[in-house]
Amino acid sequence: DAGVTQSPTHLIKTRGQQVTLRCSPKSGHDTVSWYQQALGQGPQFIFQYYEEEERQRGNFPDRFSGHQFPNYSSELNVNALLLGDSALYLCASSLGPGQPQHFGDGTRLSIL
Amino acid sequence: QKEVEQNSGPLSVPEGAIASLNCTYSDRGSQSFFWYRQYSGKSPELIMFIYSNGDKEDGRFTAQLNKASQYVSLLIRDSQPSDSATYLCAVNKRDRQAGTALIFGKGTTLSVSS
Repeated sequence: DAGVTQSPTHLIKTRGQQVTLRCSPKSGHDTVSWYQQALGQGPQFIFQYYEEEERQRGNFPDRFSGHQFPNYSSELNVNALLLGDSALYLCASSLGPGQPQHFGDGTRLSIL
Repeated sequence: QKEVEQNSGPLSVPEGAIASLNCTYSDRGSQSFFWYRQYSGKSPELIMFIYSNGDKEDGRFTAQLNKASQYVSLLIRDSQPSDSATYLCAVNKRDRQAGTALIFGKGTTLSVSS
């Protein structure tokens, strides 16, 4: 039973570029949430998708956008990258919006 | 006041001892509480969740919840060096569109010495 899978594992971009991160939820899970984790900090909630709609959004600018597909997989897009966007991006899936969330291994994004 | 607060540690305990990790939260409407373990360089791993006041036990782990005091704790009995990690407390935050964000504390670093 595959867990939450994220791609790519690592990514290096330069300021101003755009990036797309991908997530496949755990089998049977229909809800995907995205988090940003800076070094030494707890994960910060970006947004949550359920039934292909953004259900809740954290305190992140519009440069951060997402999408959920009919097969429940999801993408996180970040435009106009800033140095401060360097972080570990985590995807979590759950059996519905209020259920325990399980994390993937994350994508480490470095901005030069 | 931060939404979820944890002592960053490090908390150092000898092998075989009980480790006690604490967390306070500010939103009285929170209904669900989670503990995640995160090894260095890895992603968070769910180890316990609790919804009702009182204790919930799972193996060597016990989660304790006191909603009146807005306090959650995690006890690890018979601590092992492999328990050395950062422990993240998370609290749910609902909104009108029925989304449920997890709000995390900064985590407590636990070090178990052999």
